Amino acid sequence: QKEVEQNSGPLSVPEGAIASLNCTYSDRGSQSFFWYRQYSGKSPELIMFIYSNGDKEDGRFTAQLNKASQYVSLLIRDSQPSDSATYLCAVIRTSYDKVIFGPGTSLSVIP
Amino acid sequence: NAGVTQTPKFQVLKTGQSMTLQCAQDMNHNSMYWYRQDPGMGLRLIYYSASEGTTDKGEVPNGYNVSRLNKREFSLRLESAAPSQTSVYFCASRGLTGPRPGELFFGEGSRLTVL
Repeated sequence: QKEVEQNSGPLSVPEGAIASLNCTYSDRGSQSFFWYRQYSGKSPELIMFIYSNGDKEDGRFTAQLNKASQYVSLLIRDSQPSDSATYLCAVIRTSYDKVIFGPGTSLSVIP
Repeated sequence: NAGVTQTPKFQVLKTGQSMTLQCAQDMNHNSMYWYRQDPGMGLRLIYYSASEGTTDKGEVPNGYNVSRLNKREFSLRLESAAPSQTSVYFCASRGLTGPRPGELFFGEGSRLTVL
């Protein structure tokens, strides 16, 4: 079992819709959770981070964390064609300083 | 402010050749990482260094060695390249302070082809 799993893509949503991206992790000691966006041929860039159970909102993005279920998600509201990218979930067990990524989910927003 | 700089950006090797990927950061971060990215595989951790003088294996360390030369620099060496090591390699550093603590800052990537 991979340490970090993400819902398989590609995911296609129409412009203006909500895109939902999911991530599960196996290490219960994980403490910090990050969502990165990666455009084709580019480096990943951070869009959201969350440390505590519940929801965290930043503009059109909402991250949700449920440590009991070992689940973290990213919602993108009012999806735009510019949101078309691969989204990578990253998990950190702070005491080990080891950052593990999931395989990524490719999102395509159709105009 | 350069951030994370990695060289070379492109390299073609023959099977069995050796090479070193260089990485330097100017953000005074303690932690540095090397990842490889293959199509559909996300980023897989090769080695990481939590501080100067320490290195640890990641998910896919076989065939690689690393050196944390000082706080700024973290190099990745392929002693005897194999076609399976054809990939895009990313170096990253991570700080614990700032507006987004724990954020990874990535270099632009190095595309390596082994023939």
